[in-house]
Amino acid sequence: EPEVTQTPSHQVTQMGQEVILRCVPISNHLYFYWYRQILGQKVEFLVSFYNNEISEKSEIFDDQFSVERPDGSNFTLKIRSTKLEDSAMYFCASNPQGSYNQPQHFGDGTRLSIL
Amino acid sequence: AQTVTQSQPEMSVQEAETVTLSCTYDTSENNYYLFWYKQPPSRQMILVIRQEAYKQQNATENRFSVNFQKAAKSFSLKISDSQLGDTAMYFCAFMGTNTGNQFYFGTGTSLTVIP
Repeated sequence: EPEVTQTPSHQVTQMGQEVILRCVPISNHLYFYWYRQILGQKVEFLVSFYNNEISEKSEIFDDQFSVERPDGSNFTLKIRSTKLEDSAMYFCASNPQGSYNQPQHFGDGTRLSIL
Repeated sequence: AQTVTQSQPEMSVQEAETVTLSCTYDTSENNYYLFWYKQPPSRQMILVIRQEAYKQQNATENRFSVNFQKAAKSFSLKISDSQLGDTAMYFCAFMGTNTGNQFYFGTGTSLTVIP
């Protein structure tokens, strides 16, 4: 069964540095998402992306964050000037177009540790 | 705004017994979807079961079943014949048809299956 893949599985970065988290959604999917889970807390929505633009974002997704689909397969989350509180598990998810009744397919996540 | 509440932070069950995890939600939408996701220590997000709000029949998936009470906005998960591999964090999630495919998650219930 096709899967959403995320790299790296664990990223350690110095505070203040920029980090790029990578995701390869399922190939025929057109909706893409990033979620964040701070340790011990619930999964929080960050942003959704469709047709090469952000369709919805949460209040967490401020100017520090950006997303991009640089080619036909990758979907990236860039975090600029990282802070200690950015340490979390980041999940990528994707969905086929128009499939509201289909669950989002999640990747295994990238654990981001800010030192 | 949609909210999802899981009032049981931790639960435990003896192996082979049955356990029920509770979830309530709040929405003004009439058409929506509800999900239970399992997150084992490996941190993956794995779909357990889903329910369409327009269906009156409760969803069942092998040992997993739900009790969906639309009027009460309640969506509990029953795990029968609990197995050690069921030990995980369980998240209830809501997806409305007017919210751009965005998921809203509860805070999770940590389930431990005791041998």
